[in-house]
Amino acid sequence: EVQLVESGGGLVKPGSSLKLSCVASGFTFSSYGMHWIRQAPKKGLEWIALIYYDSSNKYYADSVKGRFTISRDNSKNTLYLEMNSLRSEDTAMYYCAKSWVNWGQGVMVTVSS
Amino acid sequence: DVVMTQTPPSLSVAIGQSVSISCKSSQSLVHSDGKTYLNWLLQNPGQSPKRLIYQVSNLGSGVPDRFSGTGSEKDFTLKISRVEAEDLGVYHCVQATHVPYTFGAGTKLELK
Repeated sequence: EVQLVESGGGLVKPGSSLKLSCVASGFTFSSYGMHWIRQAPKKGLEWIALIYYDSSNKYYADSVKGRFTISRDNSKNTLYLEMNSLRSEDTAMYYCAKSWVNWGQGVMVTVSS
Repeated sequence: DVVMTQTPPSLSVAIGQSVSISCKSSQSLVHSDGKTYLNWLLQNPGQSPKRLIYQVSNLGSGVPDRFSGTGSEKDFTLKISRVEAEDLGVYHCVQATHVPYTFGAGTKLELK
């Protein structure tokens, strides 16, 4: 069974940094591209980043480009999202996803002073 | 960026009724490989999204056949025949042809 488990969220102040993790199991992690997608409270879904299976390509939404970095460690079956210069508008539930089929339960990030 | 215009924003339905949701894109979603990467997702209350339909009309694994997707180029529709209680939640369309990938604003399906 495919499982994706996010962690690393929390309450942080504007301008600070946070690193999210997503541990994958139940499939060959190193064979799949992975996404980060977020959902602000009571809002729709927003795709924010994609990394290819071998880290050869990475893509970002304009809203996070230059501030967020997606990465992965295939030896640890883990996907990461490093978030810098956080803003109040980054407050959201953050999901990792394999294709559009398998999603984690999400991790909440709240940016507030 | 591709803008996905999803309508209606909400639907009130009775169990057993059929409904349709529209998603229109600001540009063609036909990829250079010839495929059209338009997906439909359902997010039940308090849960993560799950994929229903991929590449316009292909039913995801385990998805009941009362769900169907149609469309081409820039105009897409999700139809639910004979709505059941487990179908209630927010439906999202998402295009995965052009980076950045973009979602529709969502359609909330509620019980009448």
